[in-house]
Amino acid sequence: SQQGEEDPQALSIQEGENATMNCSYKTSINNLQWYRQNSGRGLVHLILIRSNEREKHSGRLRVTLDTSKKSSSLLITASRAADTASYFCATLPTGTASKLTFGTGTRLQVTL
Amino acid sequence: DTEVTQTPKHLVMGMTNKKSLKCEQHMGHRAMYWYKQKAKKPPELMFVYSYEKLSINESVPSRFSPECPNSSLLNLHLHALQPEDSALYLCASSQDRVLGGNTIYFGEGSWLTVV
Repeated sequence: SQQGEEDPQALSIQEGENATMNCSYKTSINNLQWYRQNSGRGLVHLILIRSNEREKHSGRLRVTLDTSKKSSSLLITASRAADTASYFCATLPTGTASKLTFGTGTRLQVTL
Repeated sequence: DTEVTQTPKHLVMGMTNKKSLKCEQHMGHRAMYWYKQKAKKPPELMFVYSYEKLSINESVPSRFSPECPNSSLLNLHLHALQPEDSALYLCASSQDRVLGGNTIYFGEGSWLTVV
């Protein structure tokens, strides 16, 4: 079953702009992870944020987590054409040791 | 080497065929997973193996049969599939079953078409 909803479903920006994707989920979680998937390819792990963390950075990525609102956001700064992909949030609900559940995904298109 | 290798990359099979998807990792991970992904949808968990034992089966039809011959290999045996089973099948692994702090690494997937 699907745990997360992502917003927007699709996002088109120009190179150099920032891209923000939001994820909302339904139940309490141990952690939340963001993944990237190029068309028809496997998923690449981007960043993991634990339930007791509020913000995390990795290169041009910034992730926030608000457990009171059951939401997370992924910010990609200074986007590049190579960032074009689908981005998924994935949650590990409390009490489910290995049931990582993916959100609906955001398709990001970065144009030159 | 953070790599999960899946073969074949593409598979076309008839509804009466028997085929297998294979997955291999050499990271010493003790948990391995099968996910199914339909076009423009998120991946959905099918099976979890922990220390070579099946620990989670997400009510997957018996026409899908997983097997973990050893800690590095995971197979998915396919028999009497339906056209609606056509999808991208993703294998993944993590250090152990408890994902509290562990990253899960995915392979590139096997595209399955059932005709």
